[in-house]
This record gives sequence, C-alpha cells and structure tokens, in this order.
Amino acid sequence: DQQVKQNSPSLSVQEGRISILNCDYTNSMFDYFLWYKKYPAEGPTFLISISSIKDKNEDGRFTVFLNKSAKHLSLHIVPSQPGDSAVYFCAARATNTGNQFYFGTGTSLTVIP
Amino acid sequence: DVKVTQSSRYLVKRTGEKVFLECVQDMDHENMFWYRQDPGLGLRLIYFSYDVKMKEKGDIPEGYSVSREKKERFSLILESASTNQTSMYLCASSLSEWGRYGYTFGSGTRLTVV
Repeated sequence: DQQVKQNSPSLSVQEGRISILNCDYTNSMFDYFLWYKKYPAEGPTFLISISSIKDKNEDGRFTVFLNKSAKHLSLHIVPSQPGDSAVYFCAARATNTGNQFYFGTGTSLTVIP
Repeated sequence: DVKVTQSSRYLVKRTGEKVFLECVQDMDHENMFWYRQDPGLGLRLIYFSYDVKMKEKGDIPEGYSVSREKKERFSLILESASTNQTSMYLCASSLSEWGRYGYTFGSGTRLTVV
C-alpha cells in the first residue's frame, strides 16, 4: 500500500515559468517531509524539507507547502531552469515508524529552454 | 564532503548467481538502508540496519539478505539472482538522530540479471 503518492509521472515547463510538483500521503502520523532531486545515474540528493508544525518552507527558488488537512504537499520552483530537469521524489516520516522514510513514485520534470 | 560509496555502478549477472552489492559510508552513521528504484514504483525499501549486526526487513525483502559486520559497511546479497531483480539499487545512510537532511544516498548500482 503506497502511503506517499505522486500522481503525475512527468511534467514539462518552459524555462522561467513556475514548476509545481505535487505529493499526497495517507498516514496522518507523518510529521516530517522531504523532497529529493535525482539525476540519471546518480543517487537522490536532499532538496528541501518541512516539518508538520509549519505550512511553508522556502529556500531560494524552492518552496515547499504543506496542507495537513488535505494530506498534501507541493514543491514550487520559481523560476524554473533547464538544470532543474530531474526526477523529484517526495518522502515522509512518522515518529512511530522510527527512521524510515516512505517515498513517492517520483515526478520527472523537464524544463524546456 | 560526506560520502556513501557503492562499489559498482553497473553490474551484469546471470540468473542463479549469488550477487553481492557493497556500500560504505564515511559519516559514522548508525542507520543504513538498501532501496531499489523501478519505473513507476519509486523507491522501495529492501532492508535496513540500525546498528552493527542488526537488520530489519523492509517492504520487499524476498530474495535478498544483508550483512552489517562493521558500522561503515552494509552489504546486500541476492541469494540466487533472477531477472525480476534487474533494477537500480540505492544505498543510503543516516544518523540515529537524523537531522533535517534525511538520508545521504550513494550513486546507485544498476544491476542487470540475464
């Protein structure tokens, strides 16, 4: 049973525009969320995180929004750049699951120059 | 710069072979994890370890085993490789108090079983 879902396998955006990647989760006990970015033939790298006590966290061009009532997470990239083209995974963790993160299936973002 | 190193980037093995995937981290992390990544399925946890000689099954442990004899090294073993184990394998590590960055991942091993 997939506890973290990314329903859009792919997304294409023009350079300079906003990219919005979405993530839904089912476990209301999740209290910490991460976004990872993955280039082909490389491991995922940490991008941005958010705790359940917040509804927004911003880091440069990247902003993550958390809507706990909807169990929904989104990553906004503004402005999008060609180097942002990668697969993005959201991940969630609950205190009662120890150190294990649950990952979504990933969204492949293509930023068109 | 902290590192998780996976010994092979690409491997091709025959059906029925015993396969060892090695992972070493230099960050003194307590926790280590093995995931496989498949298209449309994301990252699925195979096994993890919270300490030396400790191991826990993840979501898809069947056909795999692990070994953690030293803190820095976590090995994934395919007892008898099958074609459905063709995948990208990712090793990760984290502190027990994992902080804000979650896991540090290795670069992955692309395994093809023929």
